[in-house]
Amino acid sequence: GEDVEQSLFLSVREGDSSVINCTYTDSSSTYLYWYKQEPGAGLQLLTYIFSNMDMKQDQRLTVLLNKKDKHLSLRIADTQTGDSAIYFCAESTVNTGFQKLVFGTGTRLLVSP
Amino acid sequence: GAGVSQTPSNKVTEKGKYVELRCDPISGHTALYWYRQSLGQGPEFLIYFQGTGAADDSGLPNDRFFAVRPEGSVSTLKIQRTERGDSAVYLCASSWTAGETQYFGPGTRLLVL
Repeated sequence: GEDVEQSLFLSVREGDSSVINCTYTDSSSTYLYWYKQEPGAGLQLLTYIFSNMDMKQDQRLTVLLNKKDKHLSLRIADTQTGDSAIYFCAESTVNTGFQKLVFGTGTRLLVSP
Repeated sequence: GAGVSQTPSNKVTEKGKYVELRCDPISGHTALYWYRQSLGQGPEFLIYFQGTGAADDSGLPNDRFFAVRPEGSVSTLKIQRTERGDSAVYLCASSWTAGETQYFGPGTRLLVL
């Protein structure tokens, strides 16, 4: 079945780069997403990548996809204290007729001044 | 523009009671999804609507859970005979169509005492 795994916790200093990793099992995944969740808030879509791409850059965010190893990463450049949150990766396939998202357990990012 | 909204933001109820959770999707979005997020976990898919019909309800845990979307816009998730294990954050998301990016609401935090 589908499974998405992430490390639970990451701590960085302000100004450093953060790299959050994710592995997934479904080789038929079509899209892979990164969402951000701040305390008491819903999920904010950060970025996504199509499964036929290797890399996508969006301002401070860089997504790398290694489809062979089913490994996804999110790099945040110049990390700020406002980036402290839980980051979820999610995979989806559309072979069910819609995008059924399967989420990881989330990585808590703590940015210290 | 307005995002996905959910009411109430918090709901406390007693074991055995009935609850209704409401979701207002982004205007014009035809697809609507419900997810459940237990403490320390990522969201898990419950049900997907395309228009008025529940196209996939494979994530509903049992027959105590039911959802409707009578006019193809607002949706209500209904839980009968609530149990303490139903305590979680219930998230709603919507998208233009089934294959498009999902945008999440802030969630309803349900606590069953």
